[in-house]
Amino acid sequence: GESVGLHLPTLSVQEGDNSIINCAYSNSASDYFIWYKQESGKGPQFIIDIRSNMDKRQGQRVTVLLNKTVKHLSLQIAATQPGDSAVYFCADIGRDNYGQNFVFGPGTRLSVLP
Amino acid sequence: DSGVTQTPKHLITATGQRVTLRCSPRSGDLSVYWYQQSLDQGLQFLIQYYNGEERAKGNILERFSAQQFPDLHSELNLSSLELGDSALYFCASSGVVGNYGYTFGSGTRLTVV
Repeated sequence: GESVGLHLPTLSVQEGDNSIINCAYSNSASDYFIWYKQESGKGPQFIIDIRSNMDKRQGQRVTVLLNKTVKHLSLQIAATQPGDSAVYFCADIGRDNYGQNFVFGPGTRLSVLP
Repeated sequence: DSGVTQTPKHLITATGQRVTLRCSPRSGDLSVYWYQQSLDQGLQFLIQYYNGEERAKGNILERFSAQQFPDLHSELNLSSLELGDSALYFCASSGVVGNYGYTFGSGTRLTVV
């Protein structure tokens, strides 16, 4: 069936460096994607989203890139800080008349080294 | 505060027992979703309700059931609990098509001993 997956289960970066977290999706009809951040013991929190008619979207220190040709999504975090340590999930969102149907990737754990 | 309220935050119970987890969605949201997250695992979709009716089912065990009440709060019932049911259980809510937003609660940590 359709799936969303992540290339790297863990990522360690030095504080101040940039981080890149990758995600692959298989549903070519997907038209909306969200990145979530989950800190230990907490629920996932929305970071940034992107629609399929865009290839790049920027937020505060974060950028999401979408490559529809290879069905690849990435999250870039600039100047990574200790507070960025968390698990990051990408989600592929389908829609029907009753709400939204999310498919989550397995997650990538980001560890920020001092 | 995300607007999605889950209670209790922590629950410890013995094998074979039954527990009920409660979720109040964000104001105005009609859809409620339940997810299970085991240690260092991803989010496993269990079930979705929309305005009181079941809309989608994921990997939910027969020992588990859920419902959404007229006031839109939802309960997840877990019975004949096993050690492997220990996990974080998240509820999320969303609005209707065109109103993107998928908000998670802070979860209930269930420990089965």
